[in-house]
Amino acid sequence: DAMVIQNPRYQVTQFGKPVTLSCSQTLNHNVMYWYQQKSSQAPKLLFHYYDKDFNNEADTPDNFQSRRPNTSFCFLDIRSPGLGDAAMYLCATSGLPGVRTEAFFGQGTRLTVV
Amino acid sequence: GDSVTQMEGPVTLSEEAFLTINCTYTATGYPSLFWYVQYPGEGLQLLLKATKADDKGSNKGFEATYRKETTSFHLEKGSVQVSDSAVYFCALSDQGGDDKIIFGKGTRLHILP
Repeated sequence: DAMVIQNPRYQVTQFGKPVTLSCSQTLNHNVMYWYQQKSSQAPKLLFHYYDKDFNNEADTPDNFQSRRPNTSFCFLDIRSPGLGDAAMYLCATSGLPGVRTEAFFGQGTRLTVV
Repeated sequence: GDSVTQMEGPVTLSEEAFLTINCTYTATGYPSLFWYVQYPGEGLQLLLKATKADDKGSNKGFEATYRKETTSFHLEKGSVQVSDSAVYFCALSDQGGDDKIIFGKGTRLHILP
């Protein structure tokens, strides 16, 4: 049974047109991450939430925003996608309250910008 | 800051060969260590983990031992299969840190039949 679900698996968007990627989890984990992974590279952390506390990486462009309305859901908003934003976007979760766990990843959303 | 360094790929081996992928880390606290595997077009899957010094993680014939004295977590498998072809990432989560998972750059493994 899928525990971290990303939708859609594939997303095509136009240059400059806002796009939202979604992630949901059934693990009740309090940490949620968004990573960007370009071809043949390691995942690059964009930001993460510890519960409702948002932690932005210093080098994450302002073009990338995130929302976490509740424990189960997290969204990645790209306000004005550029060609360089084409990548696989990975959502992950970890950490039951008071317990540290490994990260569990979704299948990813592959974003194409045309 | 915390970091993970793993051997550059790609690594190409024949089926049934012995595999070692080296991984070393730098951390300010007492990290948990992980190996993740990524098959083409998929997300990352946890392969194995170790949470304290001298722990050995193992799964699907893969093993790695948490060596605090050498700050290493090398991945080994005695006899690889074609189906092991994938990208392998070493990672850490610093127990005294801010909950981030830090990844190495990944090692692509090709197994030839």
